[in-house]
Amino acid sequence: GAVVSQHPSRVICKSGTSVKIECRSLDFQATTMFWYRQFPKQSLMLMATSNEGSKATYEQGVEKDKFLINHASLTLSTLTVTSAHPEDSSFYICSARDEEGAPAFVVAEAFFGQGTRLTVV
Amino acid sequence: LAKTTQPVSMDSYEGQEVNITCSHNNIATNDYITWYQQFPSQGPRFIIQGYKTKVTNEVASLFIPADRKSSTLSLPRVSLSDTAVYYCLASTGYSSASKIIFGSGTRLSIRP
Repeated sequence: GAVVSQHPSRVICKSGTSVKIECRSLDFQATTMFWYRQFPKQSLMLMATSNEGSKATYEQGVEKDKFLINHASLTLSTLTVTSAHPEDSSFYICSARDEEGAPAFVVAEAFFGQGTRLTVV
Repeated sequence: LAKTTQPVSMDSYEGQEVNITCSHNNIATNDYITWYQQFPSQGPRFIIQGYKTKVTNEVASLFIPADRKSSTLSLPRVSLSDTAVYYCLASTGYSSASKIIFGSGTRLSIRP
């Protein structure tokens, strides 16, 4: 099946610095990618929808100036956590659908990256 | 997007069949039911999807009654490696831009 790859898988940064996380669709093109955040023992929370060639759409309560999303190509979206603080420490996951690979009129399967564990110290 | 309700946790033993039921009373006509599995520190993985009746693949079966207000994921002969969180989603989306919203999930623990 299709593969979505995230990099890095784990990062530790100092408080006040910025961290960039990459999400790539390896064998399909994704005009839309999704970014999630997951705290321990909790479910995935959708942060934003990344749109190729246009601005991302953020969910209510998510600061767009803090979580910068860039979707510059059909296979790459990046999430930058700016001025990170310890409370930003979390597991960040991206996903994309392989729409072309899905039968017509069926919700296309979503593929998820392996996640990025961010620790801000 | 229809709200889904699942048990918070379930326990079972190796070799048993496990059935996880999901309630989605407000499911829309165009919604499909999709189940994902997530292991610790990994992204979710698609298990199965269906619209009505029964769907089976190599890892699971999905039973959806005629009223579609609930669905049951059936895992045959579970092993320790099936310990994970299972998410049920009811969503419409023929487009790649359709959001995927996760509910609380069911934490399944398999014991020897």
